[in-house]
Amino acid sequence: DAKTTQPPSMDCAEGRAANLPCNHSTISGNEYVYWYRQIHSQGPQYIIHGLKNNETNEMASLIITEDRKSSTLILPHATLRDTAVYYCIVGHGSSNTGKLIFGQGTTLQVKP
Amino acid sequence: EAGVTQFPSHSVIEKGQTVTLRCDPISGHDNLYWYRRVMGKEIKFLLHFVKESKQDESGMPNNRFLAERTGGTYSTLKVQPAELEDSGVYFCASSQRIAGGQYFGPGTRLTVT
Repeated sequence: DAKTTQPPSMDCAEGRAANLPCNHSTISGNEYVYWYRQIHSQGPQYIIHGLKNNETNEMASLIITEDRKSSTLILPHATLRDTAVYYCIVGHGSSNTGKLIFGQGTTLQVKP
Repeated sequence: EAGVTQFPSHSVIEKGQTVTLRCDPISGHDNLYWYRRVMGKEIKFLLHFVKESKQDESGMPNNRFLAERTGGTYSTLKVQPAELEDSGVYFCASSQRIAGGQYFGPGTRLTVT
């Protein structure tokens, strides 16, 4: 499974867009990019995932570069409730397992 | 639609005892996963069921851990005998498709004393 690299922490002003970067330079052609977050000690929360194309849902947008070696999760209007640890995970390539490999993630602090 | 539920929310047991954790996935989700986070460490994958079959159990730490999913509905994770290093939070997740998003439960906090 490809590994990901994320900054350990980021700050964002409430109401502004939060842009969380992720590098996954060893991603293979059939691996997806997933984003999850964990608020306090709750269970991780699925946000969005994509393969090649950019994706958008009610929570966020996912921008994947053309070479697929990096991606950005965008929270368009961050609120205080978006303060969490955000995980970028690459998975489900040729193997038939849904195993997710969590790293350290990015701690996003949304400030008033 | 009900989310993934886990029982109990907390469990405190003594070293050497047995504990059984239960997970009820979202209805209709064939894929069920167990993960855990031990103190100060990252969330680690334990295993993946597709219906009642173990698709991937590469993350199970040792033979003191036994996961079952009889009938392909709810799943149990038994730890017997429990050791101090088993303390942590055990998460269950489910998904419709293997490549889809996984929906996590609130976790069971296990403390072994």
